[in-house]
Amino acid sequence: EVQLEQSGAEVKKPGESLRISCKTSGYTFTKYWIGWVRQMPGKGLEWMGIVFPRDSDARYSPSFQGQVIISADKSTATAYLQWTSLKASDTAMYYCARPSDGADFWGQGTLVIVSS
Amino acid sequence: DIQMTQSPSTLSASVGDRVTITCRASQGLGHWLAWYQQKPGKAPKLLIYKASVLQNGVPSRFSGNWSGTEFTLTISSLQPDDFATYYCQEYDNYPWTFGQGTKVEIK
Repeated sequence: EVQLEQSGAEVKKPGESLRISCKTSGYTFTKYWIGWVRQMPGKGLEWMGIVFPRDSDARYSPSFQGQVIISADKSTATAYLQWTSLKASDTAMYYCARPSDGADFWGQGTLVIVSS
Repeated sequence: DIQMTQSPSTLSASVGDRVTITCRASQGLGHWLAWYQQKPGKAPKLLIYKASVLQNGVPSRFSGNWSGTEFTLTISSLQPDDFATYYCQEYDNYPWTFGQGTKVEIK
């Protein structure tokens, strides 16, 4: 059974760094892209970026290029989304998802709150 | 980058109604389009991929169609479980784009 298990909710201050995770199981991690989707409060879905774990090829949507780092660890079948300096506008729910033909499997979401 | 224009933004309907949601792409993307359903506090759920292929386990009252750059999601007979927000998403070439979403409400 394919599962994507995300790390828990985070409350951080502006300027702090953060890495959230998405641990996968039930499929061959290196055969599929995996990505992150942002949903700001009361708003729609946005693809942030995707990574191919076999060679760590990462692609970013223009709005997120330079703002976050997406990576994958083959040894633990885990994907990561990282910020070096959070802003209040990063407050959102973040989902990891496996894009195949459409994104067929999703994590449960990680709520990130950035507030002073 | 491809832009997706989804309409309507809100749709009020009754159980048993036939409803249709439309997404228009800013350029051709073949059949590389997916539809998702999202309920409050939950992750999106894939309903349809390749514009018209029903994901395993999705009820047959859901269907997808396309012509050129216009894509439609139709629910043939709306059920209580279908009140949710629906999104289209193109996946022709990265960066991929979602539509703005359509909230299906109880009339």
